[in-house]
Amino acid sequence: AQSVAQPEDQVNVAEGNPLTVKCTYSVSGNPYLFWYVQYPNRGLQFLLKYITGDNLVKGSYGFEAEFNKSQTSFHLKKPSALVSDSALYFCAVRLTGANNLFFGTGTRLTVIP
Amino acid sequence: SQTIHQWPATLVQPVGSPLSLECTVEGTSNPNLYWYRQAAGRGLQLLFYSVGIGQISSEVPQNLSASRPQDRQFILSSKKLLLSDSGFYLCAWSVGSGTEAFFGQGTRLTVV
Repeated sequence: AQSVAQPEDQVNVAEGNPLTVKCTYSVSGNPYLFWYVQYPNRGLQFLLKYITGDNLVKGSYGFEAEFNKSQTSFHLKKPSALVSDSALYFCAVRLTGANNLFFGTGTRLTVIP
Repeated sequence: SQTIHQWPATLVQPVGSPLSLECTVEGTSNPNLYWYRQAAGRGLQLLFYSVGIGQISSEVPQNLSASRPQDRQFILSSKKLLLSDSGFYLCAWSVGSGTEAFFGQGTRLTVV
């Protein structure tokens, strides 16, 4: 069975500081990994994905994530947080050849001015 | 470009009433379609997905059903709503197995 874990319900960071939102996964094959962001009462917006190749993936709004196969992690990072980055962040996984996408429980990021 | 439409945005329904939420996708053919439910503003639960017309996979047994009468139309239904059906329902689409899914704006359902 495949699963995704986001160990932190809440992450607080000061504006201008680097941010990290953690994600670990458990799958029986090769995973496709994704990050999404959700603003209040809105749908999810795609940020970035890892399919294959370079372990460091760059996405929208200055976000990046690093795929670490040995640690089965895919942490989301940004060098300098903005207040507007405050939102709910979801990590997701899809197995190669599978159609369904499984999400973590989400991490609420608050950037403090 | 591809777009996804989901309606209504909000819905208040009494217990025992029927439900029909509709989702349509434009600008792509033969998409994979998904219905998710998000409870209490947190985790997403995959309810149904479809890889083609009339092909529905149910992930969680429940009071809901889904149908795909046309290639780019996905409908979530219930014959009799329960209080526990309240939540934020999200429709999404993707093409192929290695690609990301794109989400609609969601429907906030409150069962009273």
